[in-house]
Amino acid sequence: NAGVTQTPKFRVLKTGQSMTLLCAQDMNHEYMYWYRQDPGMGLRLIHYSVGEGTTAKGEVPDGYNVSRLKKQNFLLGLESAAPSQTSVYFCASRPNGGRYEQYFGPGTRLTVT
Amino acid sequence: GQQVMQIPQYQHVQEGEDFTTYCNSSTTLSNIQWYKQRPGGHPVFLIQLVKSGEVKKQKRLTFQFGEAKKNSSLHITATQTTDVGTYFCAGGGQTGANNLFFGTGTRLTVIP
Repeated sequence: NAGVTQTPKFRVLKTGQSMTLLCAQDMNHEYMYWYRQDPGMGLRLIHYSVGEGTTAKGEVPDGYNVSRLKKQNFLLGLESAAPSQTSVYFCASRPNGGRYEQYFGPGTRLTVT
Repeated sequence: GQQVMQIPQYQHVQEGEDFTTYCNSSTTLSNIQWYKQRPGGHPVFLIQLVKSGEVKKQKRLTFQFGEAKKNSSLHITATQTTDVGTYFCAGGGQTGANNLFFGTGTRLTVIP
């Protein structure tokens, strides 16, 4: 099993450009999450999904959109990138059935100039 | 909103010394999890505590969950260079809630 994979690994955008980050998991997990990690601020939840076709806002959702059309994929979109969105983005998934541990992907380092 | 505070932010220790990081929540947690992130890597799940007063051990690592389920600690005995990284606690909200609230992490440096 590959676990949780993320593409791309690195990306540089100009202000105002758009992009989509892809997260895929092959563990049949119901729950998926998008976080951003900034120095000294830990991990902050952007959006999450409790199953195919459902999404919900996390702590810092502004400027981002998500979609979960297939159970194994969770997409994070930036419609108009801003320098404040420069960060490392992590995707995670979690099994259901009373288990709460999250499995993280390797991350995407995004720079917006 | 829910907040999980973690101290210290940084800790430098000589190899062989002990290390402890503390986690405090503003509200009662359903569970507490601990993750380790190596430099340049991604968070990796270490353990989950669910019961009030629970203590779990993994080799040199000891994890505790407070009686009120609002605080937790991770203690490493006799640190090794392989322990280097950032340790995060993450608290689950009310039972059935879907999210974790991550602490800001403690970055551990081990001096050989």
